[in-house]
Amino acid sequence: EAGVAQSPRYKIIEKRQSVAFWCNPISGHATLYWYQQILGQGPKLLIQFQNNGVVDDSQLPKDRFSAERLKGVDSTLKIQPAKLEDSAVYLCASSREGVGTEAFFGQGTRLTVV
Amino acid sequence: GNSVTQMEGPVTLSEEAFLTINCTYTATGYPSLFWYVQYPGEGLQLLLKATKADDKGSNKGFEATYRKETTSFHLEKGSVQVSDSAVYFCALTRSSGANSKLTFGKGITLSVRP
Repeated sequence: EAGVAQSPRYKIIEKRQSVAFWCNPISGHATLYWYQQILGQGPKLLIQFQNNGVVDDSQLPKDRFSAERLKGVDSTLKIQPAKLEDSAVYLCASSREGVGTEAFFGQGTRLTVV
Repeated sequence: GNSVTQMEGPVTLSEEAFLTINCTYTATGYPSLFWYVQYPGEGLQLLLKATKADDKGSNKGFEATYRKETTSFHLEKGSVQVSDSAVYFCALTRSSGANSKLTFGKGITLSVRP
């Protein structure tokens, strides 16, 4: 089966600019996650969708970050305006419903804010 | 809340050496436990998992046993190879409910010398 697709792979922007990332999960996976991975740290969950609905966005900086999942499939994550500390790899993952199920990750988007 | 603690790194070993990477967790109930690996230039991928106490996950010569009494899930391999050089993340999810959020440790970098 095709894996989780993300684009772009790399992005460099200036602070205060906006940026958007796209994710296409594995077909049939109801759950979609966006993680932020800062260099030297483990991934941190930003937002989790179950089909169209948001399950957890407690760690999403809502003053500048937003995300949506259209028709329960593709998702976009937006940052507006970006700050230097947003430099990180943004990972998208998806999984089937159910306890203890595996999450499959995309290759991520490396964002550099200068 | 749930949390995962991994031993400090990085770790450098010679080929064929024995590997242990420590992981302990804090969680309510009975979480599912995972080891994910990130090879250079690639996305996160599942290495192994265990969903209940005393389960042993294994893959590619790696093993980890779910120890509820010590809240641990240490990763071991009897003889490492250069190709095992990667970043290893311990993670957990809740054992029940719709929110299957993965919580990660900080990760540890393993370098294997020929």
